[in-house]
Amino acid sequence: DIQMTQSPSSLSASVGDRVTITCQASQDINNYLNWYQQKPGKAPKLLIYDASNLETGVPSRFSGSGSGTDFTFTISSLQPEDIATYYCQQYDNLPLTFGGGTKVEIK
Amino acid sequence: QVQLVQSGAEVKKPGASVKVSCKASGYTFTGYYIHWVRQAPGQGLEWMGRIIPNSGGTNYAQKFQGRVTMTRDTSITTAYMELGSLRSDDTAVYYCARDQGLAPHYWGQGTLVTVSS
Repeated sequence: DIQMTQSPSSLSASVGDRVTITCQASQDINNYLNWYQQKPGKAPKLLIYDASNLETGVPSRFSGSGSGTDFTFTISSLQPEDIATYYCQQYDNLPLTFGGGTKVEIK
Repeated sequence: QVQLVQSGAEVKKPGASVKVSCKASGYTFTGYYIHWVRQAPGQGLEWMGRIIPNSGGTNYAQKFQGRVTMTRDTSITTAYMELGSLRSDDTAVYYCARDQGLAPHYWGQGTLVTVSS
């Protein structure tokens, strides 16, 4: 199975700050990487697919980059409504696997 | 619009089975995989497997092989996930999600399954 190592596990930042989350795969995943946002009590919401493509309707302050095994998710200017847990997920190989999540809080 | 509506919360005893349904609408049911993902309380997301409704073909995570069965009824555009031999650590919210580009994209609202004696 492909292991997805996501860091940090939590972070606290101020409104307007730039926030960066990293995700490392245990092998090359050919950019088959999603980023999801999950708010408490809600289902995950897809934000980024194929490592860097913004899902329709998602604000442009969210972005993704990277290739091979190393990927980055960025919120360019943190907003109060961005408080959530973020997960990376690879879909290059079965079983699909998720990172452990990053809980983002407001300082 | 794509909608997935799941069945309601369940409480089961250890050793029992649970069957969760996922009613799909707003797209061609047979054209996309349905994935099942679970989330234990306070924990991360765990992929359980997927079914392709047109043939009924399935792929299961090895962890659940022998305990999980995914089926579908194309006449009512509904997918099902049955998990047997339940244990307390199967207590979780179970999600169905429609595939797009090989990965879960549109998600159901989740079904809480509680396993308790």
